[in-house]
Amino acid sequence: GENVEQHPSTLSVQEGDSAVIKCTYSDSASNYFPWYKQELGKGPQLIIDIRSNVGEKKDQRIAVTLNKTAKHFSLHITETQPEDSAVYFCAASLGGSQGNLIFGKGTKLSVKP
Amino acid sequence: ETGVTQTPRHLVMGMTNKKSLKCEQHLGHNAMYWYKQSAKKPLELMFVYNFKEQTENNSVPSRFSPECPNSSHLFLHLHTLQPEDSALYLCASSQVAGADTQYFGPGTRLTVL
Repeated sequence: GENVEQHPSTLSVQEGDSAVIKCTYSDSASNYFPWYKQELGKGPQLIIDIRSNVGEKKDQRIAVTLNKTAKHFSLHITETQPEDSAVYFCAASLGGSQGNLIFGKGTKLSVKP
Repeated sequence: ETGVTQTPRHLVMGMTNKKSLKCEQHLGHNAMYWYKQSAKKPLELMFVYNFKEQTENNSVPSRFSPECPNSSHLFLHLHTLQPEDSALYLCASSQVAGADTQYFGPGTRLTVL
């Protein structure tokens, strides 16, 4: 079946550094790619998303890039802060299943002060 | 209350018990979802309701029974569960089902003894 691969599974950075998380997807019909942040004891919260008609989107310290040819997309966080520490999930819509989302396994990001 | 709420937040039940999880969304959305989140695994979509009609049942065992009486409320009825069903159960909603932004509740942490 279709799947989304996410790397790395854990990432530790120093405060102020940049963090990059990468995902690849298998369904060539995917056209919607959200990123979620999940803090301890909470549900996932959308932080940024991108659709297939654009290659890059930025929102303050967070950016997402999409390469449809290679079927991969990445999350970039600049000037990381301790409050960025959380688990981050990428997802891709399934083209043949009413656009339901399929998720990666998550990346646990730790930002050290 | 705003957003997506779930009750209870924690539930411990025996294998012979019957219990229900409740989800309520205050966003005026028309689609609601149940997901299962287990350690080291991607979020697993269980059920999708769009305008109160079930549009997806992702091969979920019959011991899980969803109910959607209206667009704002979603239930998951549980009976004769197994210990491997212990997980975080997340509810989400979106404007419509498909490649649309999903908003998650905080989840119900379920433990089956």
